[in-house]
Amino acid sequence: EIVLTQSPATLSLSPGERATLSCRTSQSVSSFLGWYQQKPGQVPRLLIFDASTRVTGIPARFSGSGSGTDFTLTISSLEPEDFAVYYCQQRSNWQYTFGQGTKLEIK
Amino acid sequence: QVQLVESGGGVVQPGRSLRLSCAASGFTFSNYVMHWVRQAPGKGLEWVAVMWFEGTNKDYADSVKGRFTISRDNSENTVFLQMNSLRAEDTAVYYCARESVSRAYFYGLDVWGQGTTVTVSS
Repeated sequence: EIVLTQSPATLSLSPGERATLSCRTSQSVSSFLGWYQQKPGQVPRLLIFDASTRVTGIPARFSGSGSGTDFTLTISSLEPEDFAVYYCQQRSNWQYTFGQGTKLEIK
Repeated sequence: QVQLVESGGGVVQPGRSLRLSCAASGFTFSNYVMHWVRQAPGKGLEWVAVMWFEGTNKDYADSVKGRFTISRDNSENTVFLQMNSLRAEDTAVYYCARESVSRAYFYGLDVWGQGTTVTVSS
């Protein structure tokens, strides 16, 4: 099973700041990685697929990068509604796993 | 509109069984791979199971392999999760989600249901 390690576990920032979230996989997954946002009491929402493609309707301040084993989700300038938990997910050989999540909180 | 609606959750004793359903609407169900994902109280997301279009291929997380069975009925636009030998650690909200599958790209799980709650307790 491929293990996904997200860091940091918690990120405390202020609105307007830049957020950089990391996801590292225990084996290469090529570009087969997605990023999700989940707010309290809500269903997860897909933000980025195939490592770097933004879902239609997701603001341009969200961007994904990386390939192989190291991936990054960047939020260029935080809006109040961006404070949430973010998960990465991989697909490899039709097996799937999620990272443990990064909580992005208001400083 | 595109929608997934789960049902079948509830309170069940350890060792018993439960069957979850997920009804799809607003899209061509048979064109999508379907997943079950769960989230224990206060915890992160855990991928549970996946089933391909015609049911020829399916796979499971190690934590549920041998106890859970995913199936689908494309004529009814429904995916199921049969959960046997339930344990306290299976307590979670269970979501179904769809994936548009390509060998060349990972499109992610782009539509999710609202979830159904399973509580395993004596």
